[in-house]
Parts: sequence; C-alpha cells; structure tokens
Amino acid sequence: QQQVKQSPQSLIVQKGGIPIINCAYENTAFDYFPWYQQFPGKGPALLIAIRPDVSEKKEGRFTISFNKSAKQFSLHIMDSQPGDSATYFCAASKGGSNYKLTFGKGTLLTVNP
Amino acid sequence: ETGVTQTPRHLVMGMTNKKSLKCEQHLGHNAMYWYKQSAKKPLELMFVYNFKEQTENNSVPSRFSPECPNSSHLFLHLHTLQPEDSALYLCASSAGGTGGTGELFFGEGSRLTVL
Repeated sequence: QQQVKQSPQSLIVQKGGIPIINCAYENTAFDYFPWYQQFPGKGPALLIAIRPDVSEKKEGRFTISFNKSAKQFSLHIMDSQPGDSATYFCAASKGGSNYKLTFGKGTLLTVNP
Repeated sequence: ETGVTQTPRHLVMGMTNKKSLKCEQHLGHNAMYWYKQSAKKPLELMFVYNFKEQTENNSVPSRFSPECPNSSHLFLHLHTLQPEDSALYLCASSAGGTGGTGELFFGEGSRLTVL
C-alpha cells in the first residue's frame, strides 16, 4: 500500500517555466511534509518542508502548497533553471519529525535551456 | 561535500558472497538510517539506530544485518542476497535522535549489484 502518491513521474519544462509536482497522502496522522531533491550520483537533500498548520511555505524559488482537507500538497518551482534538473521526492511522517519518513516514488524534472 | 560518507560506492557480488557496506557521519548526529532506493519505487526505510540502539526494523529480510558500533558508524552486512536486492543503498543521519525534527543528511549511496 503506497501511502504517498506522487505525480507526475517525469516532467520537462523550458527555462523560466513553473513545474508543479503533486503528492497525495492517505494517513491523516501525517503532520510533517518535506521535499527532498536528488541530483544524479548524489543522495537526496532536504529542499523545503511544511507542517499542516500553514497552507503555503516559500523558500526562494520553491513553494509548497498544502491542502489539508484534500490531503494533498505540491511543490512549485518559480523561474525554473537548468540547474534545477533533478529528481524530487515528497515525503510524510507522523510526530513532526524526519523519523520514519514515507516517501513518494519521485519525479524526474528536466529543465531545458 | 557530504558529511555522510559511504563505502564502497559500487559493489558487485554473487548470491553466495558475504560483503559489508559502511557508513560514517561527521555531523555529530544521534540517529542513523539505512534506506533502499530502487528504480521507480519510493525510498524504503530499512533500519534506524538511535544512540547506537536499533529502534526500527522495517520487516527487512535477515540476509541484511545492520551493525552500529557507535553513533558515527553504521554497517550493513550482506549475505546470500538475491538479484532483486540490487539497488542503491543510502545511509542517512539526523540530529536530535529519532524524536527530533532534524533533517536527514544522506550519503551518496552504495550501488549494489547481485549477480
């Protein structure tokens, strides 16, 4: 049973575009939702995270939108750059910690110059 | 430069071999993790150690045997593996133990191929 469903599996945008990656979760006990970014040959790294007491969080060009009633959250990348090309994973956990994260399957983002 | 170092980066082994993966973190963290990353699958949490004590075994087959001699080192001992065990094995660490909110810091992974 996949508890965090991520879409799309892959995404191609032009430089300056706004890719959007969506995730949906089933477990209402989840209360911490991070996004991790992974470049080829590297391990994932935390990009941005949100807790359900806010509907949006922005850090630089990256924004998480959170819809608690729909049990969905999404990552938006403003003014995307070729250097943003990577695999993005959404995740969720209980207890507000990074312990025992449940990850989505990942989205391979390609930003063309 | 990553604060979590994994060796070897690549490993090819037969089904009857015994090998070990090593992870070392230089971040002063209390919790260490093993994750399995397979193509088109979510990252799968395998084991968690908090202050050297195993706190999570996510129904991992006994052919994978973890060892955590101290808070800075984590091993994954491998024996009689199956071809479907071929994957990227990622080590991670976090501050504050398993009850903390510290982000996961991942190593670059050990790419395992089982023939």
